[in-house]
Amino acid sequence: KQEVTQIPAALSVPEGENLVLNCSFTDSAIYNLQWFRQDPGKGLTSLLLIQSSQREQTSGRLNASLDKSSGRSTLYIAASQPGDSATYLCAVRVNQFYFGTGTSLTVIP
Amino acid sequence: GAVVSQHPSWVICKSGTSVKIECRSLDFQATTMFWYRQFPKQSLMLMATSNEGSKATYEQGVEKDKFLINHASLTLSTLTVTSAHPEDSSFYICSARDSLGGSYEQYFGPGTRLTVT
Repeated sequence: KQEVTQIPAALSVPEGENLVLNCSFTDSAIYNLQWFRQDPGKGLTSLLLIQSSQREQTSGRLNASLDKSSGRSTLYIAASQPGDSATYLCAVRVNQFYFGTGTSLTVIP
Repeated sequence: GAVVSQHPSWVICKSGTSVKIECRSLDFQATTMFWYRQFPKQSLMLMATSNEGSKATYEQGVEKDKFLINHASLTLSTLTVTSAHPEDSSFYICSARDSLGGSYEQYFGPGTRLTVT
């Protein structure tokens, strides 16, 4: 069974810092990998979707990479802002989505 | 973009009662929808997969008689929590797969917060 792990579980950084969130998965036979943002008590907002044949995707200050063979993905956030504070979830899709445990990010003004 | 809605967004019910949560795909048809549950500070756990016109497939440990799923049309799936108990209090999120449009992408609803008193 696919297991998805995210490190760190929580992260607190001052505004303006660049940061990296890590995601690892146990089975490399995935269809795609997706990074989501979840604000407290809210649903999921899709940030970046990387197909299994792709290595990375970029959107604004966000860059996500995928190394399928090693079962790893990273989400890079440049020049962090207080509005980036949220929980970030990665999920790998096989026939269904398997979600990671999440990284709770706090950006301090 | 594709939109999935859920209704209600939050609900409070008393122990022993039943509550129904609706999940709708607003601008696409979904032969497959998924129901997830998320406890505080935890990740999403898949409860069941529902296919239009057939019985839902439940994940191990999920009571099918307690969490009734009906997927009667290509745009609507419902989750009914029967005889709710406080431990059923959770955040329920549905997701719909755009099967007929060819993209097979999966879109998530905004979630429903259930509190059982």
